[in-house]
Amino acid sequence: QKEVEQNSGPLSVPEGAIASLNCTYSDRVSQSFFWYRQYSGKSPELIMSIYSNGDKEDGRFTAQLNKASQYVSLLIRDSQPSDSATYLCAVIYETGGGNKLTFGTGTQLKVEL
Amino acid sequence: KAGVTQTPRYLIKTRGQQVTLSCSPISGHRSVSWYQQTPGQGLQFLFEYFSETQRNKGNFPGRFSGRQFSNSRSEMNVSTLELGDSALYLCASSGGTGATEAFFGQGTRLTVV
Repeated sequence: QKEVEQNSGPLSVPEGAIASLNCTYSDRVSQSFFWYRQYSGKSPELIMSIYSNGDKEDGRFTAQLNKASQYVSLLIRDSQPSDSATYLCAVIYETGGGNKLTFGTGTQLKVEL
Repeated sequence: KAGVTQTPRYLIKTRGQQVTLSCSPISGHRSVSWYQQTPGQGLQFLFEYFSETQRNKGNFPGRFSGRQFSNSRSEMNVSTLELGDSALYLCASSGGTGATEAFFGQGTRLTVV
């Protein structure tokens, strides 16, 4: 069973701090990795995709990928109360029939005033 | 560019009934995946369709089925509904081969009573 593991949280950070969210995956050959944000009662929204080792920055968000350690992380700088949501890590696993996007159970982030 | 459209948004059904949910992907996207989301289980993969063919299937009973039409619109059907089928059903579309980013619709909230 190919898995994606996340700490469920909640992770609480003060406003303006850096939030660090982590994810590990089980299939070493995976090539595509994603972070989704999901507000309560809403559907997941894609916020970052990363395919190569290293860092990828987009505004206040930085995704980090280390394929050797099978580890993906998301950093949110200058955290705002509006960042309070569940963050889902997703990995594409290749199957005989195609690609299967597999999700972790998500980390709940709370940004406190 | 229109996003992923799911209909209906909300449904209430009785145990034993069947239900059909619809998903219209982003224009040009050929892959549609379906997920079930419940508080305790997170996002569980149901199946994926690409060019009218089911490429991947999750670990759900045969009561859950789907299909995809030539215009890439997809439907999923659940027969003989059980209370445990109450969930948010999400559909995600992606370009398919080589284009891996997936975008979600707003979901259909199914309640079985």
